[in-house]
Amino acid sequence: AQSVTQLDSQVPVFEEAPVELRCNYSSSVSVYLFWYVQYPNQGLQLLLKYLSGSTLVESINGFEAEFNKSQTSFHLRKPSVHISDTAEYFCAVKGDTDKLIFGTGTRLQVFP
Amino acid sequence: EPEVTQTPSHQVTQMGQEVILRCVPISNHLYFYWYRQILGQKVEFLVSFYNNEISEKSEIFDDQFSVERPDGSNFTLKIRSTKLEDSAMYFCASSPSGTPRTYNEQFFGPGTRLTVL
Repeated sequence: AQSVTQLDSQVPVFEEAPVELRCNYSSSVSVYLFWYVQYPNQGLQLLLKYLSGSTLVESINGFEAEFNKSQTSFHLRKPSVHISDTAEYFCAVKGDTDKLIFGTGTRLQVFP
Repeated sequence: EPEVTQTPSHQVTQMGQEVILRCVPISNHLYFYWYRQILGQKVEFLVSFYNNEISEKSEIFDDQFSVERPDGSNFTLKIRSTKLEDSAMYFCASSPSGTPRTYNEQFFGPGTRLTVL
C-alpha cells in the first residue's frame, strides 16, 4: 500500500519569494509521483510527474520537483512565485494499479 | 482543448435520497475514475472503470455506490441512499488507452460538491 504526507496545509508567501511545498510518501513498490494543482472552481491539473530517469522534473511555469528515494520525498519548489500561483497543490503517487493516492493538499497563498 | 465536465456543480439532497452525479469524460478516453474529497481531508480513490466494468474499487465503494456508462459519452456515479458522511466533493477523471497502462495521465473534472442534509 502507498501513502502520501503533505505536512503543510497552508503556505503563505510574498510575491517573488521562493517557495517549497513538502511531500513525503511511503510505498512497498516502485511508484510514479505527481503534483497536481487546483485553481479556484477548477479541476485538478497535472503540474509535473516523475516516472523514471532524471530525478529533477520541471513544469512549463517554473515549478520543479526532485525525487529523493532515500528520503522518500518529492518536494515542489519554485524560485520566485507569482500571484497567479495561488492555488491548492496536491502530491500523489501511483503504485502498481491505476489509482492515484493523494496527500491532503497544501494551499499556497501568494501575497503582493 | 478537450476537458472533463461534471454536472451539477453543487447538489444538495436529503439523507436517504438517491443522487446521480454525472460526468462527460474526454471523448477518446477509455478509462474512467471517481474520486472524492471530504472537506479538509485527502482526495480518495473510489472506483475505476474500463470496458464497461469496474476494474478496481476502494473500501469506500460499498453497495450503496454504483457506476454506469449509459451511453457513449456519460459516466455516472449513483449513491442509492445518501448518508451525512457522503457529503464531499466528487471528482471524475478519465485517461486514454495506451501502454504502459500503469502510466496514463488522468484528466480531472472540476468536481461536484454534494451536500447531504
